[in-house]
Amino acid sequence: EPEVTQTPSHQVTQMGQEVILRCVPISNHLYFYWYRQILGQKVEFLVSFYNNEISEKSEIFDDQFSVERPDGSNFTLKIRSTKLEDSAMYFCASSDLRDSHEQYFGPGTRLTVT
Amino acid sequence: AQSVAQPEDQVNVAEGNPLTVKCTYSVSGNPYLFWYVQYPNRGLQFLLKYITGDNLVKGSYGFEAEFNKSQTSFHLKKPSALVSDSALYFCAVRPFSGGYNKLIFGAGTRLAVHP
Repeated sequence: EPEVTQTPSHQVTQMGQEVILRCVPISNHLYFYWYRQILGQKVEFLVSFYNNEISEKSEIFDDQFSVERPDGSNFTLKIRSTKLEDSAMYFCASSDLRDSHEQYFGPGTRLTVT
Repeated sequence: AQSVAQPEDQVNVAEGNPLTVKCTYSVSGNPYLFWYVQYPNRGLQFLLKYITGDNLVKGSYGFEAEFNKSQTSFHLKKPSALVSDSALYFCAVRPFSGGYNKLIFGAGTRLAVHP
């Protein structure tokens, strides 16, 4: 069964450093998403991406964040200058249609900012 | 504000007994409702959804959920729990706002099924 994969599983970085979280969505999917979950809190929507552009973003997704689909398979989330409060589990998801009601999630990347 | 509430942090049930994991929501319009499950070191796995039609929906692994519009609830149920059902369960809603599938999640409920 096709799966969404994410690398790395755990990333430790120092405050102020740039990090790139990588995701490989399911191959025939067209819509891509990032969510995050701060420890002990809710899973929160960050951004959705379609046709090489952001289709929707939350207020969390400020100028420090960016997303990119650099090739036909990867979908990345970049945080330019990490803050302590960026420490969280980051989940990538994909779906095949706009009205597809099933988003397939990856296992997550745990980001720890020290 | 749009929100999803899962009032129980943890639900404990004995194997073979019925289980219920509660979810209520607050969104405008007619939302789409979902349940996801998360096992350790795994991503969120889709269990079931309510879009329209019959208020009782059936999903994976014998789970079902009942949509109750008047109570704005979407409780997850299973007639007979298994130890292997022990996991973290998330209720989610997609507001019917024409947006691109953004999901709003509850805080999650940890289900512990004891032998």
